[in-house]
Amino acid sequence: NAGVTQTPKFRVLKTGQSMTLLCAQDMNHEYMYWYRQDPGMGLRLIHYSVGEGTTAKGEVPDGYNVSRLKKQNFLLGLESAAPSQTSVYFCASSFGLANYFGPGTRLTVT
Amino acid sequence: KNEVEQSPQNLTAQEGEFITINCSYSVGISALHWLQQHPGGGIVSLFMLSSGKKKHGRLIATINIQEKHSSLHITASHPRDSAVYICAGMNTGNQFYFGTGTSLTVIP
Repeated sequence: NAGVTQTPKFRVLKTGQSMTLLCAQDMNHEYMYWYRQDPGMGLRLIHYSVGEGTTAKGEVPDGYNVSRLKKQNFLLGLESAAPSQTSVYFCASSFGLANYFGPGTRLTVT
Repeated sequence: KNEVEQSPQNLTAQEGEFITINCSYSVGISALHWLQQHPGGGIVSLFMLSSGKKKHGRLIATINIQEKHSSLHITASHPRDSAVYICAGMNTGNQFYFGTGTSLTVIP
C-alpha cells in the first residue's frame, strides 16, 4: 500500500507556464482534496472531489483546475502560473473520518 | 476570525516536560483531527476523535464537544517531538477547517 503519492516533489516554473500536479491513492477512497500551505496561513482547500468524475471548489480555487477521471487519481492544473501560486501543495484522501496526506509538492513560480 | 484557533503559536520546552496544545473551534464538526508536520514537510495524522479521549504512546488527545475545545498533550517530551502540530475540524461534508499550527521545539 503506497498510500497517497504526489508527483513531482519539487518544481520551478516561470510566470505564465502551465503544469499539472498528480495525486494518486491506492486505498479506494472516494474523497480527495488539494490544499496549499503558505507560511502563517495554515492549509487552505483549493478543490476537492467526492468521487470519480466529480469536483468542487474549495476556499481558494482561482487559478487552478482539477480533474478526477479515475477514482485513484486527482490532478491539479495551473494553466498560467503566477508568483502568488508559489506554495507547498498537499493532496489528501479520506474514507469515513480517517484522513491521509501525500508528501507534498514544493512549487516555486518566478 | 478563523474557524479553528490554536494556541500557543510557538512553544519551546525542555526535554521531559509535559506539553499541552489547545484548539478551539467555532463551527459544527463531526470529528477533530490532530496532525503532525515535521521539518521535512510531510503531514501525519496523529488522532481523529469525535468524543472523549484517545491515547497513543506519549500522546493524549481530548475533546469537549460542548465547549468546542480539544487539547493535545505530550508527556515526557523528547527532541524528536519537535514539529508543527495542526488541529483540523471535519464537518459532515468531509471538508476540513485547519488551524494555523503550533510550532513545538523540544530542547535536549
